Amino acid sequence: DVKVTQSSRYLVKRTGEKVFLECVQDMDHENMFWYRQDPGLGLRLIYFSYDVKMKEKGDIPEGYSVSREKKERFSLILESASTNQTSMYLCASSLMTGAVNTEAFFGQGTRLTVV
Amino acid sequence: ILNVEQSPQSLHVQEGDSTNFTCSFPSSNFYALHWYRWETAKSPEALFVMTLNGDEKKKGRISATLNTKEGYSYLYIKGSQPEDSATYLCAFDSNTGNQFYFGTGTSLTVIP
Repeated sequence: DVKVTQSSRYLVKRTGEKVFLECVQDMDHENMFWYRQDPGLGLRLIYFSYDVKMKEKGDIPEGYSVSREKKERFSLILESASTNQTSMYLCASSLMTGAVNTEAFFGQGTRLTVV
Repeated sequence: ILNVEQSPQSLHVQEGDSTNFTCSFPSSNFYALHWYRWETAKSPEALFVMTLNGDEKKKGRISATLNTKEGYSYLYIKGSQPEDSATYLCAFDSNTGNQFYFGTGTSLTVIP
């Protein structure tokens, strides 16, 4: 059974803290993604990575950074957490065939609250 | 940012009703259109990946059609059941990059 695992289901952090959200996939997928989901706004892409050490900004990268040192692990970093980063964060991975993706597999989500 | 739109935003139907919703996407640089179902407290799961104009796919009571020339896809649910209650997301996969472009979803509630 394929799996994308996020390190925490729920997280509460203080404003100004550095926050790490971890995601691991066991499918040997090239692509990994971080999204945030807010009511009425759908899934918005923060960053994605198509290979180890490679990353590209998505639609809302401000206030975030990422790290991909190993193929199976993609970390999202909130450099200095703010209350407007309170959200549901979803990690996903997909396989590349040629230049395009197969279906995405998602983690269970991390609900982050910044107080 | 590519524009992917879904309508309606939410829908309440009675058990046994059939329903459908729409995903609109750019008609250029098309590679694939994905449909996902996202149930509360679970991860989104893929329903269909559609790549050819005129494609029709079916899984049980759920089916989908694709028109790449005009840039839309329909998802149909026949005889809705309470377990069909979920948010249905579509995602556009272009042939020019690695990322998916998601719509905002249609939230379906099936009332017993």
